[in-house]
Amino acid sequence: DQQVKQNSPSLSVQEGRISILNCDYTNSMFDYFLWYKKYPAEGPTFLISISSIKDKNEDGRFTVFLNKSAKHLSLHIVPSQPGDSAVYFCAASEVDSGAGSYQLTFGKGTKLSVIP
Amino acid sequence: NAGVTQTPKFQVLKTGQSMTLQCAQDMNHEYMSWYRQDPGMGLRLIHYSVGAGITDQGEVPNGYNVSRSTTEDFPLRLLSAAPSQTSVYFCASSYGQAVHYGYTFGSGTRLTVV
Repeated sequence: DQQVKQNSPSLSVQEGRISILNCDYTNSMFDYFLWYKKYPAEGPTFLISISSIKDKNEDGRFTVFLNKSAKHLSLHIVPSQPGDSAVYFCAASEVDSGAGSYQLTFGKGTKLSVIP
Repeated sequence: NAGVTQTPKFQVLKTGQSMTLQCAQDMNHEYMSWYRQDPGMGLRLIHYSVGAGITDQGEVPNGYNVSRSTTEDFPLRLLSAAPSQTSVYFCASSYGQAVHYGYTFGSGTRLTVV
């Protein structure tokens, strides 16, 4: 059973508009969440993260929101740029579980296309 | 710094052959791991290591072996390749707990088993 779910395989957005990528999780032990960005033929690169003690974390054009009661997080990109076109993976980790803290559980990814 | 280096970038194997995917990092990261990415499946953890001499299984370990004799290297061995092991393999490393430092990924090895 998938513990981290990204239910939208793809998303298309006009340049300059907001992109919203969603992620849901089922494991209540997860309390740290990360977003990775992946271009074709490259490895994923870390984008932004949030811990469960926060409900928002911002880094430039990227903001991640966490709704712990709903087990839902979202990544907002404002404004979207053509260079943001990539696959975005949501990932989760358990902070205080020994070896589990080293492991990330990934969603299936959402392919974002930003149209010029 | 080279970061995380994976070799080879591409490989075609026949069913039953064995091979080793290489992964090396030059960042003195204590944690290393191997993931596979399949279409529509995201990234799934195969094996991981929290330091030299220490390895453990991830979500999909069957058919793979690992060892960690040095901090820098974490090779992944396919014992007897099967078509189900056709995938893109990513090696990742982290200075410490992923929650604080995130992972640095290599650029991947695309493996086809025929």
